Amino acid sequence: DAGVTQSPTHLIKTRGQQVTLRCSPKSGHDTVSWYQQALGQGPQFIFQYYEEEERQRGNFPDRFSGHQFPNYSSELNVNALLLGDSALYLCASSFWDRENQPQHFGDGTRLSIL
Amino acid sequence: AQSVTQLDSQVPVFEEAPVELRCNYSSSVSVYLFWYVQYPNQGLQLLLKYLSGSTLVESINGFEAEFNKSQTSFHLRKPSVHISDTAEYFCAVSEYGNKLVFGAGTILRVKS
Repeated sequence: DAGVTQSPTHLIKTRGQQVTLRCSPKSGHDTVSWYQQALGQGPQFIFQYYEEEERQRGNFPDRFSGHQFPNYSSELNVNALLLGDSALYLCASSFWDRENQPQHFGDGTRLSIL
Repeated sequence: AQSVTQLDSQVPVFEEAPVELRCNYSSSVSVYLFWYVQYPNQGLQLLLKYLSGSTLVESINGFEAEFNKSQTSFHLRKPSVHISDTAEYFCAVSEYGNKLVFGAGTILRVKS
């Protein structure tokens, strides 16, 4: 049973560029959430997707956008990269209709901005 | 708005000693509470969860946490730690909808 998989594992970009990160949820899960974990901090909620729609959003600017595909996989896009976007980006999956079930996390994509 | 405070950024402890990692939360509604563990260069793994019922919850590797509603706390404890428990531990709270709010984390360093 495959868990949550994320790609790539590491990525280096320069300021102003755009980046796309990818996530495949755990088998059977239909909801994907994205988190940003800056160095030395806890993860911060970016947004959540279910049925290909953004359902909840954290306090992140519009430069952060996402997409969910019919197979439940998801992408996180960040435009006009800033140095402060350097972080570990974590994807988590869960069941939409089972609110008390914990989220399962991938190993993350480490994004470095030069 | 929900928030989580982890009172210690780092906790050094000798092997086989007991440990407590402290977590306090604030929320205006009923919540679900979680502890996650993160090993270097890895994602988050669920350690244990409180959803309802018994206020004492246990994990399979000897950790336990007690939900205290009056003190809005969910402290994590282990009676005897191992070197392999060295990791960063995150307390998290969730209201309806599975959005998690995390604390800043506590690094547990187990020394031999």
